[in-house]
Amino acid sequence: DVKVTQSSRYLVKRTGEKVFLECVQDMDHENMFWYRQDPGLGLRLIYFSYDVKMKEKGDIPEGYSVSREKKERFSLILESASTNQTSMYLCASSLGTRGATLKYNEQFFGPGTRLTVL
Amino acid sequence: GENVEQHPSTLSVQEGDSAVIKCTYSDSASNYFPWYKQELGKRPQLIIDIRSNVGEKKDQRIAVTLNKTAKHFSLHITETQPEDSAVYFCAARVRTGGFKTIFGAGTRLFVKA
Repeated sequence: DVKVTQSSRYLVKRTGEKVFLECVQDMDHENMFWYRQDPGLGLRLIYFSYDVKMKEKGDIPEGYSVSREKKERFSLILESASTNQTSMYLCASSLGTRGATLKYNEQFFGPGTRLTVL
Repeated sequence: GENVEQHPSTLSVQEGDSAVIKCTYSDSASNYFPWYKQELGKRPQLIIDIRSNVGEKKDQRIAVTLNKTAKHFSLHITETQPEDSAVYFCAARVRTGGFKTIFGAGTRLFVKA
């Protein structure tokens, strides 16, 4: 059973603080993703990674950075948190291209971190 | 850039009726279209998906249709039940070095008992 965990369910930070959101998956997945979820906007991709030390910008990377030092862990960093980064953050993972079936496309999501920046 | 449009944003149906959610995508190279269901307070989970070489796929009460020419795909839920109430997201996969999935804005489905 795939498990994707996130370090916190709820987080409250102050403007200007550096914030780390951690995501760990235990299924040896190559691909990992960070999304933010806001009402009426769906899931928007911030960054993704398809291998260790590899990262690609998603649709809204501004104000964020990521780190993938180990295959199982993908960290999202807010260098200087701002109030407009208050949101629900979801991490996800999926298999890479080594999967010959459709299953390599399925993304498994973590429980989410609700971040409030005051 | 690539985008996925989803309609309606809210859908309310009577128990037992059908529900249809429609999506359009912009990238003609997209080849994989998943649908995720997110119940209140829970994480999104895949419920059905379809590849671009297939026009329709069915799994019990849910089905997805794809029209590649028009770049439309739809989710159909028949004989709706209260437990179908959730937010549904359509998505399209694009290839940009990695496997990037673009999500629609979501449809909140209410099934009234």
